[in-house]
Amino acid sequence: AQTVTQSQPEMSVQEAETVTLSCTYDTSESDYYLFWYKQPPSRQMILVIRQEAYKQQNATENRFSVNFQKAAKSFSLKISDSQLGDAAMYFCAYKEALYGNKLVFGAGTILRVKS
Amino acid sequence: GAVVSQHPSWVICKSGTSVKIECRSLDFQATTMFWYRQFPKQSLMLMATSNEGSKATYEQGVEKDKFLINHASLTLSTLTVTSAHPEDSSFYICSARDNREVQETQYFGPGTRLLVL
Repeated sequence: AQTVTQSQPEMSVQEAETVTLSCTYDTSESDYYLFWYKQPPSRQMILVIRQEAYKQQNATENRFSVNFQKAAKSFSLKISDSQLGDAAMYFCAYKEALYGNKLVFGAGTILRVKS
Repeated sequence: GAVVSQHPSWVICKSGTSVKIECRSLDFQATTMFWYRQFPKQSLMLMATSNEGSKATYEQGVEKDKFLINHASLTLSTLTVTSAHPEDSSFYICSARDNREVQETQYFGPGTRLLVL
């Protein structure tokens, strides 16, 4: 079964600085999707960024970018120019491309932003 | 686009009563919706996959008769917690899969906080 591991329970970053959240996953599939979701104190899950495994180019969405290393099964999220509104729980998630309906979530990383 | 609503956002009920939670995709059709349960500071736990026009698929350990799911249309799924007990108190989140997207991204509702007294 696929598993997703987020090894950092909590991270802190100074406002305007850059932080990287780690995520590794285990799968025998070659085609799949990876996602980062943000859950602020309101508890609304918000899609931050997504990556298709067949694409070598790393996804980018404004201040958010990923470092996707398929061979290493690593999918880290980089947040640049951190803002107070970035403070949240961040979840990494995996989904099989062809047969998978379900998202497999990591345990989450709490990100604190200091002013 | 890709907005999912949930109603109610907050519900308090007495032990033994039933509670219905609605999940709607507002600007897209969703053949498949998902119901999750989340405890504080923990990850989401998938309870069941809801398929329009057919029976839901429940995860191992989730009681089908207790958590009734109905996906009556391409924009609405409901979760009914029957004979609720205090241990059912939790945060329930639904998501809907956007069929238009190749990645089949799941978009989440804002969640429902259930407190059973």
